[in-house]
Amino acid sequence: EIVMTQSPATLSVSPGERATLSCRASQSVSSNLAWYQQKPGQAPRLLIYGASTRATGIPARFSGSGSGTEFTLTISSLQSEDFAVYYCQQYNNWPPSYTFGQGTKLEIK
Amino acid sequence: EVQLVESGGVVVQPGGSLRLSCAASGFTFDDYTMHWVRQAPGKGLEWVSLISWDGGSTYYADSVKGRFTISRDNSKNSLYLQMNSLRTEDTALYYCAKGSNYYDSSGNHNPFDYWGQGTLVTVSS
Repeated sequence: EIVMTQSPATLSVSPGERATLSCRASQSVSSNLAWYQQKPGQAPRLLIYGASTRATGIPARFSGSGSGTEFTLTISSLQSEDFAVYYCQQYNNWPPSYTFGQGTKLEIK
Repeated sequence: EVQLVESGGVVVQPGGSLRLSCAASGFTFDDYTMHWVRQAPGKGLEWVSLISWDGGSTYYADSVKGRFTISRDNSKNSLYLQMNSLRTEDTALYYCAKGSNYYDSSGNHNPFDYWGQGTLVTVSS
């Protein structure tokens, strides 16, 4: 099983500043890596797929990078609505199994 | 507008059974793979199961294999999860999620683009 490890567990950032979240895979997942945002009491929302492509309707301040085992989600200028938990997910396995990281909580500093 | 509405979550005793449903609307249901994903209280996300567009292929996480069965009825735009031999560690919010069109170059791998609001399953004596 591919294990996804996110860091840090909690990130404190001020509004308007940049946030950088990391995700590491225990083996290569190519570019089959997605990022989701989850706010309290809500379902997850797809932000990034293919490691670096924004999903429909996602603002340009969200960007993803990386391939293989190391990935990054960057939020360029944090807005109040961006404070949430972020999960990375690999979808590279066959037979299919989709593993998520444990999440990074992005909180207001 | 895509909508996924889960139902069927209740309190059940260990060893019991339960069937979850997910009603889909706003898209051509039988064009897409569908998934169940769960989230234990205060915890992260865990993928549970996948079913192909026609129901012909199904896959499961090791933690539920042999106990849970995913199915779909394309005539009713509905997804199901039959849960047997329930354990306390199955306590979670269960989401249904739609497979996206964002396939990789192999055509085999894609993330999820829409999720329901979830239905809560509590396994407790």
